[in-house]
Amino acid sequence: GAVVSQHPSWVICKSGTSVKIECRSLDFQATTMFWYRQFPKQSLMLMATSNEGSKATYEQGVEKDKFLINHASLTLSTLTVTSAHPEDSSFYICSARGADRGYGYTFGSGTRLTVV
Amino acid sequence: KQEVTQIPAALSVPEGENLVLNCSFTDSAIYNLQWFRQDPGKGLTSLLLIQSSQREQTSGRLNASLDKSSGRSTLYIAASQPGDSATYLCAVLDGGSQGNLIFGKGTKLSVKP
Repeated sequence: GAVVSQHPSWVICKSGTSVKIECRSLDFQATTMFWYRQFPKQSLMLMATSNEGSKATYEQGVEKDKFLINHASLTLSTLTVTSAHPEDSSFYICSARGADRGYGYTFGSGTRLTVV
Repeated sequence: KQEVTQIPAALSVPEGENLVLNCSFTDSAIYNLQWFRQDPGKGLTSLLLIQSSQREQTSGRLNASLDKSSGRSTLYIAASQPGDSATYLCAVLDGGSQGNLIFGKGTKLSVKP
């Protein structure tokens, strides 16, 4: 089945630094990738949608200058949290789908970001 | 605006019991519906995907049904096991061009040995 690899699985960084999270589709071409944020005991909150080769579409309230998304190829998307602060600490999950959305979405294993 | 609701929010059952998790959505114009499992601190694992034209899907001890007209889906788990303990998320794929998944808040299942 479709596999999405996300790493790192966890990262601790100092306040003010930037962190990059990678999301790769291993056995299919991910036409569209999605980035979610999940707070403790909450469901997933969509942050942005990215199509390969295009600028990401951000959800209302998500700062695009803080959360930089790059989807340069059909198998790789990256989320960079710039100038991270403790309130950015969260669980970030990516998902990917191919050109035919009828095949469902595949999720990465998530990244736990802790900003100290 | 599509809203997805899952009931109950939490469920605790003894091992071996059959159980049903419920999911409802407000807009029946969906493309498909997907059930996921999430273990603590982990990503989502897809369990079952039901297209809008389908009524149900089965995988092992899991059976998911879809009644699009009434905006409901159920996930049936037969002969529950402690390893089934996790949070189960229901998500609908809207019919818009971006095709965003809309998630419910999940049902946290605990199966006691």
